[in-house]
Amino acid sequence: EAQVTQNPRYLITVTGKKLTVTCSQNMNHEYMSWYRQDPGLGLRQIYYSMNVEVTDKGDVPEGYKVSRKEKRNFPLILESPSPNQTSLYFCASSPRDRTNTEAFFGQGTRLTVV
Amino acid sequence: RKEVEQDPGPFNVPEGATVAFNCTYSNSASQSFFWYRQDCRKEPKLLMSVYSSGNEDGRFTAQLNRASQYISLLIRDSKLSDSATYLCVVNPILTGGGNKLTFGTGTQLKVEL
Repeated sequence: EAQVTQNPRYLITVTGKKLTVTCSQNMNHEYMSWYRQDPGLGLRQIYYSMNVEVTDKGDVPEGYKVSRKEKRNFPLILESPSPNQTSLYFCASSPRDRTNTEAFFGQGTRLTVV
Repeated sequence: RKEVEQDPGPFNVPEGATVAFNCTYSNSASQSFFWYRQDCRKEPKLLMSVYSSGNEDGRFTAQLNRASQYISLLIRDSKLSDSATYLCVVNPILTGGGNKLTFGTGTQLKVEL
């Protein structure tokens, strides 16, 4: 089954404790991205990657890191989480295409930083 | 001004009603347009792409007006199962390909008996 898998689905952590949210897709998509969703603000892009070893900042990259060592994986790293990073996070992937292409989302990771 | 603006709602409509959502976007270079549906904080899923000529998928009709930079979604004969948040999504097309989807904050629809 074609899918994007995020782990963990739920996470409560303390301020400053490094964490990684994993994202994996099995559709051989070149393009992957991370979003956070907050009430009243909608989905905002954190980082994106057009291919292996190619990453770039989205609209709200502060406090986050990513890596793309393999095509299928795009982990999101919070080196020193803070309470303002409490949010619902989505990973998405899509094929690299200039025409209308659907983005496939993972099921989301609900992160709480206390 | 937000890049993509939507009325947040909620729109509370009776079953069987016709409801329309509008969305405006600020980047005139935007090339692709979509409506996504999101259920109760689950992941967004593509409802339909929006083409310049307008397109229809069953009870759903999407329209694009490039001159006025707005997109619309019409839902006819609303069902209870249509209750969700509808996200207007715009893609300016990155150099070299790929999607940089810009989302509206969503319009909440509640269909009632």
